[in-house]
Amino acid sequence: AQKITQTQPGMFVQEKEAVTLDCTYDTSDPSYGLFWYKQPSSGEMIFLIYQGSYDQQNATEGRYSLNFQKARKSANLVISASQLGDSAMYFCAMREGNFNKFYFGSGTKLNVKP
Amino acid sequence: NAGVTQTPKFRVLKTGQSMTLLCAQDMNHEYMYWYRQDPGMGLRLIHYSVGEGTTAKGEVPDGYNVSRLKKQNFLLGLESAAPSQTSVYFCASNPGRNTEAFFGQGTRLTVV
Repeated sequence: AQKITQTQPGMFVQEKEAVTLDCTYDTSDPSYGLFWYKQPSSGEMIFLIYQGSYDQQNATEGRYSLNFQKARKSANLVISASQLGDSAMYFCAMREGNFNKFYFGSGTKLNVKP
Repeated sequence: NAGVTQTPKFRVLKTGQSMTLLCAQDMNHEYMYWYRQDPGMGLRLIHYSVGEGTTAKGEVPDGYNVSRLKKQNFLLGLESAAPSQTSVYFCASNPGRNTEAFFGQGTRLTVV
């Protein structure tokens, strides 16, 4: 079974609007972490936001927030007030287990339209 | 602070050739990882290490070997390169707490 599932291969959003990128995960480990990374066309992996499995509140970092629904095993990324520079590939990831392995989804390519 | 550095950044190999990719981190992290990125498949874990002198297989280990003789270095070897190993390779490290994985800039490998 896939550890991380991102069902949106590509998305479009109008500049200044909000967008939600979906992510579901699968784990039986009670302690895990969820992450979102941005990969612009230049190729580097940029960390955006982290949510721990025991965190009661949703994580926020500037225009990024993580909508964590533990019972549904979902960890959607919300980007508010989209900017042209947000156009990139976005990966959801999960860290689990004693060996601290990170698993990644297949990514969502976001295009922000002016 | 250099973070995670991968060498080389680009490489073209002929089928059957061997090579080693070097990953170096200066953050004293215990955990290190090698991933490959292919279109539509995200990042897949090749091998990882939980500390100096240790290595373990990830999701797609076949055709690769690794070594971690020093804590700061994690080497990925291809003994006999195949076209199916054409990919972008990323190294990452993590201190083992509830923090993110820190990535190198990637190595674009083409096997012809």
